[in-house]
Amino acid sequence: EVQLVESGGGLVQPGGSLRLSCAASAFTFSSYEMNWVRQAPGKGLEWVSYISSSGTTKYYADSVKGRFTISRDNAKNSLYLQMNSLRAEDTAVYYCARGNGYLVYFDFWGQGTLVTVSS
Amino acid sequence: QSVLTQPPSASGTPGQRVTISCSGSSSNIGTNYVYWYQQCPGTAPKLLIYRNNQRPSGVPDRFSGSKSGTSASLAIGGLRSEDEADYYCAAWDDLSGQAVFGGGTQLTVL
Repeated sequence: EVQLVESGGGLVQPGGSLRLSCAASAFTFSSYEMNWVRQAPGKGLEWVSYISSSGTTKYYADSVKGRFTISRDNAKNSLYLQMNSLRAEDTAVYYCARGNGYLVYFDFWGQGTLVTVSS
Repeated sequence: QSVLTQPPSASGTPGQRVTISCSGSSSNIGTNYVYWYQQCPGTAPKLLIYRNNQRPSGVPDRFSGSKSGTSASLAIGGLRSEDEADYYCAAWDDLSGQAVFGGGTQLTVL
């Protein structure tokens, strides 16, 4: 069964940095695009970033462009999100989601990891 | 303010049919596929409908999706208590080069 397990969330001060990880299993990770999607407390879903299967193509939401960097290590079956210059409005549960051939086609999701930006 | 517009709430009684709308523009729904996600309380979102009207395996045929022009709809027939959840539409937006979600619709089964 496809599994995506996020880690790395926690409490960080405004302006700080955090690196999220997503460990994938039970599928050929290197063949699939991956995404990060977040959800602020009590709010809706917001797409954050996309990376192609090879890692050569990346897209970002305007709200995180220039501050967040998506990457992957296909040898380790892992997806990452480096988050810098964090703001209070970045507080959210961050989900990694597998893409399946089409942008926005998120066929499997992890359980999420909570990032809280507060002093 | 979400790029895709959904009603914030919807409701129905068991057995009823409910429809949730999603309105966009020519740069997103008008040009690209629409996807629907279901999020039950306290859980991660789940893919419900892909490529406008396709159901992943395991999704009951009570759920159906449609698209016309710059709008899309999710219909749920034979409403059940376990359908109580938040529903989100999503599409790629060619103008911004980003994925966009609707604000979500909270479905209550009365």
